[in-house]
Amino acid sequence: EIVMTQSPATLSVSPGERVTLSCRASQSVSNKLAWYQQNAGQAPRLLIYDASSRATGIPARFSGSGSGTEFTLTISSLQSEDFAVYYCQQYNNRWTFGQGTKVEVK
Amino acid sequence: EVQLVESGGGLVQPGGSLRLSCEVSGFTFIKYWMTWLRQAPGKGLEWVANIKEEGSETHYADSVKGRFAILRDNTKNSIYLQMNSLRVEDTAVYYCARLTKDYFDHWGQGVLVTVSS
Repeated sequence: EIVMTQSPATLSVSPGERVTLSCRASQSVSNKLAWYQQNAGQAPRLLIYDASSRATGIPARFSGSGSGTEFTLTISSLQSEDFAVYYCQQYNNRWTFGQGTKVEVK
Repeated sequence: EVQLVESGGGLVQPGGSLRLSCEVSGFTFIKYWMTWLRQAPGKGLEWVANIKEEGSETHYADSVKGRFAILRDNTKNSIYLQMNSLRVEDTAVYYCARLTKDYFDHWGQGVLVTVSS
């Protein structure tokens, strides 16, 4: 099983700040990497697929990068609705998720 | 608009059975693989099972293999998760999702399954 590790576990930030979340795979997943946002009490929402492609309707402030084992999700200017938990997920070999990064208000 | 609506959750005793349903609308159902995932209280996300467009192929996580079965009825735009021999550790919110090129692009709102005596 491919293990996905996200860091940090929690990020305390202020609105308007730039945010960078990291995700590492235990072996190469090529570019088969997605990012999801989950607000409290809601279902996850797809943000990024194929490591860097934004899903339909996702604002341009969200961007993804990386390949192989190291990936990054960047939010260029954090909005109030962006305080949530973010998960990375690989789909190169079955489907496994990271444990999540919580972005909270500083 | 793509919509996925789960139902069938509830409280069940260890060793019991439960069947979840997910009815979809807003897209051509028979063209997509479909998926069940779950999230234990306060925990992360776990893929559970997939089913191919016409239902001929399925895949399961090791944690549920032999106990759970994923099915679909393309005449009703629905998928199902038959859960047998339930364990306390199966307690979770269960989500159905559409699989597009191996990622999950649309999710239902989820349904809670509690396994407890």
